[in-house]
Amino acid sequence: DGGITQSPKYLFRKEGQNVTLSCEQNLNHDAMYWYRQDPGQGLRLIYYSQIVNDFQKGDIAEGYSVSREKKESFPLTVTSAQKNPTAFYLCASIGTRAPEAFFGQGTRLTVV
Amino acid sequence: GEDVEQSLFLSVREGDSSVINCTYTDSSSTYLYWYKQEPGAGLQLLTYIFSNMDMKQDQRLTVLLNKKDKHLSLRIADTQTGDSAIYFCAESLRGGKLIFGQGTELSVKP
Repeated sequence: DGGITQSPKYLFRKEGQNVTLSCEQNLNHDAMYWYRQDPGQGLRLIYYSQIVNDFQKGDIAEGYSVSREKKESFPLTVTSAQKNPTAFYLCASIGTRAPEAFFGQGTRLTVV
Repeated sequence: GEDVEQSLFLSVREGDSSVINCTYTDSSSTYLYWYKQEPGAGLQLLTYIFSNMDMKQDQRLTVLLNKKDKHLSLRIADTQTGDSAIYFCAESLRGGKLIFGQGTELSVKP
């Protein structure tokens, strides 16, 4: 089955540690996105990538980093510089032939 | 700048129609989308409309786009309790950026 997979579903980390969230898609989509969701604030764009080895900052990129070494994968690292990292993180992808954006099921990160 | 705005809450009675509204600021949008999110889950695409269209109908869903006023709406006919969720409007811009509104929480009362 084609789809987009985020792992893990729940993640706990100690303050000051970097953590990497996984996002993999087998839809052959070129574009991939990372969003952060906080209650009452909707989805805010962190980073996006249109092609392999290229990515752009979204509206809240500070404290985050990404890589796009393979078309299928777009991992997000939440660094210790991110002041308030506890949130629900969503990954999405869009193909070039159709405009639908497909979402993963999300990763809930809790920093203690 | 780019911004997508939605009202935060809407409450309707079962069987009535629901209308969820969205306004956006960037006129370079290519597609506009409506997504549904149930508690603890990812986003499910409901429908989308190309920016040069005025209307799209898909079963109980009707999307209206007023490009002059930068206003998008989603009408759900015969709303059911299973339609209770958060609904997000999103705008796809030239250059690939995809931005979302804050979401409208729809509550359907029996």
